[in-house]
Amino acid sequence: EVQLVESGGGLVQPGRSLRLSCKASGFSFDDYAMHWVRQAPGKGLEWVSGITWNSGNMDYADSVKGRFTISRDNARNSLYLQMNSLRAEDTALYYCVKDSGSTWQAPYHWFDPWGQGTLVTVSS
Amino acid sequence: QSVVTQPPSASDTPGQRVTIPCSGRISNIGRNYVHWYQHLPGTAPKLLVYRNNQRPSGVPDRFSGSKSGTSASLAISGLRSEDEADYYCVVWDDNVSGWVFGGGTKLTVL
Repeated sequence: EVQLVESGGGLVQPGRSLRLSCKASGFSFDDYAMHWVRQAPGKGLEWVSGITWNSGNMDYADSVKGRFTISRDNARNSLYLQMNSLRAEDTALYYCVKDSGSTWQAPYHWFDPWGQGTLVTVSS
Repeated sequence: QSVVTQPPSASDTPGQRVTIPCSGRISNIGRNYVHWYQHLPGTAPKLLVYRNNQRPSGVPDRFSGSKSGTSASLAISGLRSEDEADYYCVVWDDNVSGWVFGGGTKLTVL
């Protein structure tokens, strides 16, 4: 069974940093692209970032570009999201999501499955 | 405002058929596949339909997807109380070179 378990969320002050982790199991992690998707309180889903199977290509939503960095460690079956210069509007439940293929930017791919999410709250 | 739009809410009674629309542009729905997710509070979003109209194994055939031009829709027939959830469409957008979600539709089973 494919499992994605996020961790690292919590309460952080504006301007500070936080690193999210996602531990994957039940599939060949190094064969698949991965994503982070978030949901702010009372809002819809927002794609945050994606990374290819070999970390050769990654990109970000404009709302986080220049502040967030996605990375992965295939030896540890883990995905990460380094979040710097956090803002109140980054408050959200962050989901780790498996791509259906090896590249994150393929229009014919889809997201499946999703983790349960880790909550990030940015507040003073 | 999202480049892909959904009505914020929909409702109907048990046993009925409801359709949830997802409207976009040539750069997203017009050129690319649409996928649909069901999201119940406190749970992980679940894939219902991929590539416009394909159902993953385990998803009942009460759920079906379609696409025409720059619009797509998710139909749910034989509505049940457990279908009460938020539904999202998602599609790749060529102009932003990124994934775009619709705003989500909250389905209420009356």
